[in-house]
Amino acid sequence: DAGVTQTPRHEVAEKGQTIILKCEPVSGHNDLFWYRQTKIQGLELLSYFRSKSLMEDGGAFKDRFKAEMLNSSFSTLKIQPTEPKDSAVYLCASSLSWGGAGTGQLYFGEGSKLTVL
Amino acid sequence: GDKVKQSPSALSLQEGTNSALRCNFSIAATTVQWFLQNPRGSLINLFYLVPGTKENGRLKSAFDSKESYSTLHIRDAQLEDSGTYFCAAEARGSALGRLHFGAGTQLIVIP
Repeated sequence: DAGVTQTPRHEVAEKGQTIILKCEPVSGHNDLFWYRQTKIQGLELLSYFRSKSLMEDGGAFKDRFKAEMLNSSFSTLKIQPTEPKDSAVYLCASSLSWGGAGTGQLYFGEGSKLTVL
Repeated sequence: GDKVKQSPSALSLQEGTNSALRCNFSIAATTVQWFLQNPRGSLINLFYLVPGTKENGRLKSAFDSKESYSTLHIRDAQLEDSGTYFCAAEARGSALGRLHFGAGTQLIVIP
């Protein structure tokens, strides 16, 4: 079975550009997460979908970050406009939730490394 | 303060030796996951735990929800075990899907 697939693996953007990162979750998983990872802040949750419904929109990340899940097998994260402080690794993860309040075992993609000049 | 505290923050191990990593929780953790981030940056899920223990090859993990901690034991450390280990917990009362991550333990296995 294919794991979580993320594209592109690397992206270089000029300040002010719009970038779109893509994620394909593990087939059959119903939870999808977008995280940002930096050395200073560690892993920060940007968005969380359950069965394609947006459950968590990332609070402080709302203004320039928008995640969408167009179908159960594809999600995008748009950053518009980009700023140098957005330079980080963006990770997508999916899991099969077992219903109720919990999520299941998380599987991460290999990440998209974004550099904003 | 930190909801999930990992210790130690860094560790060097001689190949073939054993060690234990720990996470202490100041939240009412209900499930715990352990991940290894390898030098390429990939985050690999090692364990998903409800209270209890699991074993997989040279790795063994335990989660005690009453005492609010989890451990990851590495037996006969190998060079490929090098990387950063993260624990993450779901907690009672936290928002759906919210995992609380520790800051990680950086492990270097030396020949």
